[in-house]
Amino acid sequence: SAVISQKPSRDICQRGTSLTIQCQVDSQVTMMFWYRQQPGQSLTLIATANQGSEATYESGFVIDKFPISRPNLTFSTLTVSNMSPEDSSIYLCSVLFSGRVPFFGPGTRLTVL
Amino acid sequence: KQEVTQIPAALSVPEGENLVLNCSFTDSAIYNLQWFRQDPGKGLTSLLLIQSSQREQTSGRLNASLDKSSGRSTLYIAASQPGDSATYLCAVDTDKLIFGTGTRLQVFP
Repeated sequence: SAVISQKPSRDICQRGTSLTIQCQVDSQVTMMFWYRQQPGQSLTLIATANQGSEATYESGFVIDKFPISRPNLTFSTLTVSNMSPEDSSIYLCSVLFSGRVPFFGPGTRLTVL
Repeated sequence: KQEVTQIPAALSVPEGENLVLNCSFTDSAIYNLQWFRQDPGKGLTSLLLIQSSQREQTSGRLNASLDKSSGRSTLYIAASQPGDSATYLCAVDTDKLIFGTGTRLQVFP
């Protein structure tokens, strides 16, 4: 199993600013994922972040808007850049462990004014 | 591109009814399919995981089936209770977890 923490747990930000969300895992994992959950919606995959390579973004998401770092096997960051109210969502990181069992962080609730 | 759809989008039933939630996916090349529950303002709770080689999984009052060739899964909830009220999400694993659109369930006393 895995324990995943995210910082911050929530934030309220002004339009045009950027926020960096941190995801820390208590053990080494190869595959880490970032999701967005907009109000009343399901989870949408933003990108896959693998250590040692650039993140792979899903359709509709670009690196300039959501830059991702993955400096080691236990940590990743997602930045939401030049925010607008439409970016108000819950952002979750996730990892896949042996047997392809997913674990999710508690999420970061972002409100953009 | 894998697309995952859930029907119905919302469901409101009286307590005690047996329920069927549906999940369909467009690409059958999956490792597994998983059902989750999400309570308002809370995180995800894993309910059942079905490997691609399996046909079904059971846990208590929950039974999930998988027909990979037709791209379908169903979650059966027996004798529903008000505590079952939540949003139910299916997700398929194809090197990454792709979530369905969700079914919002309300069970009233």
